[in-house]
Amino acid sequence: DVKVTQSSRYLVKRTGEKVFLECVQDMDHENMFWYRQDPGLGLRLIYFSYDVKMKEKGDIPEGYSVSREKKERFSLILESASTNQTSMYLCASSLPREQLLRTEAFFGQGTRLTVV
Amino acid sequence: GQQVMQIPQYQHVQEGEDFTTYCNSSTTLSNIQWYKQRPGGHPVFLIQLVKSGEVKKQKRLTFQFGEAKKNSSLHITATQTTDVGTYFCAGGAGGYNKLIFGAGTRLAVHP
Repeated sequence: DVKVTQSSRYLVKRTGEKVFLECVQDMDHENMFWYRQDPGLGLRLIYFSYDVKMKEKGDIPEGYSVSREKKERFSLILESASTNQTSMYLCASSLPREQLLRTEAFFGQGTRLTVV
Repeated sequence: GQQVMQIPQYQHVQEGEDFTTYCNSSTTLSNIQWYKQRPGGHPVFLIQLVKSGEVKKQKRLTFQFGEAKKNSSLHITATQTTDVGTYFCAGGAGGYNKLIFGAGTRLAVHP
């Protein structure tokens, strides 16, 4: 079974802190995603990476950055946390479409981040 | 940018009634995927549709992909309490299959 592991289930951080959310997948997937989930807004894409060191902005990248130094690990960084970044953060991985295989996303358990 | 709209946002049904959620994209999609998220859980893949006009069934669930590959629907026949959760569609686009999710439809089923 594919496993996507997020480093923390719950986090509480102070405004202005630099926050790192880590995600590791064990299926050698090229694609990795960071979404945030808020009530009524669904899953909004923050950043997407399709290969090591490659990244693409999603719909809401402001206030976030990412790092993909190794294929299995995708980190989300909040440079200076703010209260409006309080949310559930979900990491996912998938195969790219060109491989003509099932390309569904496998999700981690999520990190509920509270910024106070 | 690409947008995926999903309606309704919330649906409350009596057990045994049918349920449908609809998904519309502003652009043509390479594929559409459907996920289910149980309360307190994370989204779990249900199915992927790739071909124009494709229809797939999983027991009581019927999934359709529109002819223009811009819309999709999920229909559940005779809902059960185990169907409770939020159903998301996700449109795949681009060569790397970046997934854009709809806002989801939260289904409540009352016995």
